[in-house]
Amino acid sequence: EAEVAQSPRYKITEKSQAVAFWCDPISGHATLYWYRQILGQGPELLVQFQDESVVDDSQLPKDRFSAERLKGVDSTLKIQPAELGDSAMYLCASSPRVLVNTEAFFGQGTRLTVV
Amino acid sequence: AQSVTQLGSHVSVSEGALVLLRCNYSSSVPPYLFWYVQYPNQGLQLLLKYTSAATLVKGINGFEAEFKKSETSFLLTKPSAHMSVAAEYFCAVSDTRSGNTPLVFGKGTRLSVIA
Repeated sequence: EAEVAQSPRYKITEKSQAVAFWCDPISGHATLYWYRQILGQGPELLVQFQDESVVDDSQLPKDRFSAERLKGVDSTLKIQPAELGDSAMYLCASSPRVLVNTEAFFGQGTRLTVV
Repeated sequence: AQSVTQLGSHVSVSEGALVLLRCNYSSSVPPYLFWYVQYPNQGLQLLLKYTSAATLVKGINGFEAEFKKSETSFLLTKPSAHMSVAAEYFCAVSDTRSGNTPLVFGKGTRLSVIA
């Protein structure tokens, strides 16, 4: 069964350091999402890609976060510099090319701890 | 903007008892609705989705959900709880008026099963 792959699964970093997360969506899925999930909360959208283009990054803290999906396949989310408040689960999800009512398929997530 | 409210941040049921989790949405137009489950340090797995075809939806692992337009609610049920269903449950909505709009999640309900 096709899955969304994310790495690393766990990351511990010191504040002010740079950190990056990688996501490989299900093959053929044009839409890719990055969500952040703070402990005890629901996921919140950071950025949405359609192929290689950003569709929505209104909730992405652009002073420190960046996301790219250069060839419209895999994606990288970067934080520089990391802050203590960035500790959270970062979830990548994908869905097929523009279809109404389709669900998002989630990866296992990257648990980030900033110390 | 779409929003969803999950009633009860923590629900406890006895093993073998009915599981009932409630989600309310705020939209003048019925959205697409989804229930996801999340186990500790894992990604989200889709249980079922409502896409206006039928008000009673069957999902995986014996879960069902009922869409009640008059109450703007989406009720998740399972007739008999087993220890294996102890997890975090998230309700999510997406806009029916355009394709591939990102899911908006509720804050989650933690389900505990008591032996």
